[in-house]
Amino acid sequence: GESVGLHLPTLSVQEGDNSIINCAYSNSASDYFIWYKQESGKGPQFIIDIRSNMDKRQGQRVTVLLNKTVKHLSLQIAATQPGDSAVYFCAENIDTGRRALTFGSGTRLQVQP
Amino acid sequence: GAGVSQSPRYKVAKRGQDVALRCDPISGHVSLFWYQQALGQGPEFLTYFQNEAQLDKSGLPSDRFFAERPEGSVSTLKIQRTQQEDSAVYLCASSLGGGHYQPQHFGDGTRLSIL
Repeated sequence: GESVGLHLPTLSVQEGDNSIINCAYSNSASDYFIWYKQESGKGPQFIIDIRSNMDKRQGQRVTVLLNKTVKHLSLQIAATQPGDSAVYFCAENIDTGRRALTFGSGTRLQVQP
Repeated sequence: GAGVSQSPRYKVAKRGQDVALRCDPISGHVSLFWYQQALGQGPEFLTYFQNEAQLDKSGLPSDRFFAERPEGSVSTLKIQRTQQEDSAVYLCASSLGGGHYQPQHFGDGTRLSIL
């Protein structure tokens, strides 16, 4: 399938290392954030979400950190595997009166075996 | 699987033709969303339904774009008089409830190419 994100920032890590993907969000009033993983030819896959009243949330092998002071979101992936290779998007709900998500530009994660 | 299903997966049309893209949300999901994804970019919001009501269509780029969800389940996105700039992947997403803090789950999209 055609690649998603041909000119995206790329993070290259070794298999087994931890990965950290960063995202600067735009609106200090945003109160809900989601990380998605998108593989080539597929739709975005939900990874983890976090509300603005939290600083940290953990899932299976993933942790999301939210720093509202500097409007920064990060996704940490522990023990990165080749199957983690994909484009990762952060999404925010900018307008609390609406359900629309606003997506960041994405980061490509390449896992070297 | 019980995910969001979209059809067709690929659609090629000549400029000026009308197209219709279908979305079957996850069973029981109240909310349904359409997004447009250009190559190399993140998805951009088009429109949102809660059951059969279209509550937000602020992202539709022109009056050539029309979406419906008449029975509160399957949705169709229609594009009339297609233009080359309409070429993109059209993604459908659904969420269980109508509440604010509900993750949206996406289908694999329809890749639309306008010649």
